[in-house]
Formats: sequence, structure tokens, C-alpha cells
Amino acid sequence: AQSVTQLDSQVPVFEEAPVELRCNYSSSVSVYLFWYVQYPNQGLQLLLKYLSGSTLVESINGFEAEFNKSQTSFHLRKPSVHISDTAEYFCAVSVETSGSRLTFGEGTQLTVNP
Amino acid sequence: KAGVTQTPRYLIKTRGQQVTLSCSPISGHRSVSWYQQTPGQGLQFLFEYFSETQRNKGNFPGRFSGRQFSNSRSEMNVSTLELGDSALYLCASGTGGPYGYTFGSGTRLTVV
Repeated sequence: AQSVTQLDSQVPVFEEAPVELRCNYSSSVSVYLFWYVQYPNQGLQLLLKYLSGSTLVESINGFEAEFNKSQTSFHLRKPSVHISDTAEYFCAVSVETSGSRLTFGEGTQLTVNP
Repeated sequence: KAGVTQTPRYLIKTRGQQVTLSCSPISGHRSVSWYQQTPGQGLQFLFEYFSETQRNKGNFPGRFSGRQFSNSRSEMNVSTLELGDSALYLCASGTGGPYGYTFGSGTRLTVV
């Protein structure tokens, strides 16, 4: 079975500061990794994903994440955050044999203050 | 193209009743998964349907059931509702592989 640990439940930062949201996973087989974002009273939106190839993946709104197999991590980073980035962020993992089943971390609430 | 549509958005039910939630996936997607989101348990996988067959199931009691129709639309049913079933129920639509899915806005179920 797979598991995901998001190391920080809440991350407060000031606007234009850099941020890192940490995610570690556990799995005995190869994984696919995802970051989803959830705004209040909404569903989950896919931010970025690692399936194969380059270990550094980027989103269209400035976030990036790096797959580190040796450290079993997939941390999410942004060099300069905006107020509008305030949301809950979920790291998730899937494996080839589990179909569409995603295993999620507990979530990290990112709050960007002016 | 249109996204994943979940209806209704909000629902209030009484303990002991049953409820049916609906999910219309993105056109062409044959896989629909359901998740329960609560503050205490987080996001938990309920089940997945692919081409009208349940392909995967999470650790939920038999009161939680689902089905998928030939047009890929899916319904989830919860019988004998309990207070603890209050949650946001999310549906995700995809092509069937483990490559990331598109979620709907969810149905907020409140059991009183």
C-alpha cells in the first residue's frame, strides 16, 4: 500500500515571499505523483503531476515540484507567492496497479498575508 | 469541453434516510471515482467505476454503493445515513489510467 505525508498542516507566508510545501511518500512500487489545490467550497484542481521523464515539473502559474526518488519526496515550491495562492494543497500518489485510485496526504493550508 | 458535473451541490438529510448523488464525467472519459472529504479523515477513496464495472473499492461499509451507466454517468448511494456521513463527496473523471483525474466541485452532504 502507498502512503503520503505532508509535513506541514499550515504554512503562513507573506506576499512575494518564497514557499515550499513538503510531501513525502511511501511505496514499494513505482509511483505517479500529483499536487492538487482546493479553494474554499470548491473541488480539487490539478496543479501539476510527475508521470515520467524530467524530475522537475512546472505549472502554468509559477509552481514547480521536483521528484526525488532517493528521498521519496515531491516538494512543491514557488519563488514568489500572491494573495490568490491562499488555498489548501494536497499531495497525492497513484500506482499502475491501482487504476485511478489516488492516495492523498492530509493537506497543507497555505495562507499568504499582505 | 465541459468539466465534471456533480449534482446536487448541497444536500441536507436526516439520520436513517438514504441519498443518491450524481456525477457526469467529461465527455469521452470512462472512469469515475468517488472520494469522501471530511476534516477528521481527509480525502478517502470510496470506489471507482470503469465501463460500468466497479474496478476498485475503498474501505467503506456496504451502506455506500455506486453504479455507472452506459453513458459513463455515475451515481453514488448512501443508505441509512449517519451523522458521520456528513462530508464533501467528490467525483473524479478520467480515461482509466493512474495519470491524474479531473474533479468536480463536489456535493456537500449534511446529515442532521
